[in-house]
Amino acid sequence: DAGITQSPRHKVTETGTPVTLRCHQTENHRYMYWYRQDPGHGLRLIHYSYGVKDTDKGEVSDGYSVSRSKTEDFLLTLESATSSQTSVYFCAISESSYGYTFGSGTRLTVV
Amino acid sequence: GENVEQHPSTLSVQEGDSAVIKCTYSDSASNYFPWYKQELGKGPQLIIDIRSNVGEKKDQRIAVTLNKTAKHFSLHITETQPEDSAVYFCAASIEGNDMRFGAGTRLTVKP
Repeated sequence: DAGITQSPRHKVTETGTPVTLRCHQTENHRYMYWYRQDPGHGLRLIHYSYGVKDTDKGEVSDGYSVSRSKTEDFLLTLESATSSQTSVYFCAISESSYGYTFGSGTRLTVV
Repeated sequence: GENVEQHPSTLSVQEGDSAVIKCTYSDSASNYFPWYKQELGKGPQLIIDIRSNVGEKKDQRIAVTLNKTAKHFSLHITETQPEDSAVYFCAASIEGNDMRFGAGTRLTVKP
């Protein structure tokens, strides 16, 4: 997806370990979002950012933290991964909070 | 918070037929309703959106209708083609903030 990359694309980690997912954009968009996608639930918002160091919680924020020290990077951290956090994580960006552009996703498995 | 329900969860049509996916929302203040298409292994991609000040919007073979009174909106795809096969998500939000997604519809177009 043009202008937005997520890393890593796949990760397997053990229960209780910290995990950080990265979202990088080259569009200089103001808004960045982290969603998780699970069967039967669609996409659920975890956290979002409306500017450098400006973040807020979404619908399913428990167990997750975020940081945005630069416009281009939005990090999602699982402080102590649990099996319930096994999911596909998507980052999205937008300039005006409309019309999101999504990344290709990170498939995280917690064993 | 906003709750979005999407039906059907799966839809199979013959090539050339029309497909209709329906969504309902709970928050009467919601005024922005996008639709996303997700192909296998990729992130969702915005295909069309509608704001509450219009009742219908078309873009070639796809159209979206909105009934604010009943709080439901629908995606219509005409003359379906095999490449329309994907998972489609509806979403609702107030001014693009705190976007809530439906659970998704898997559309299969049979050649």
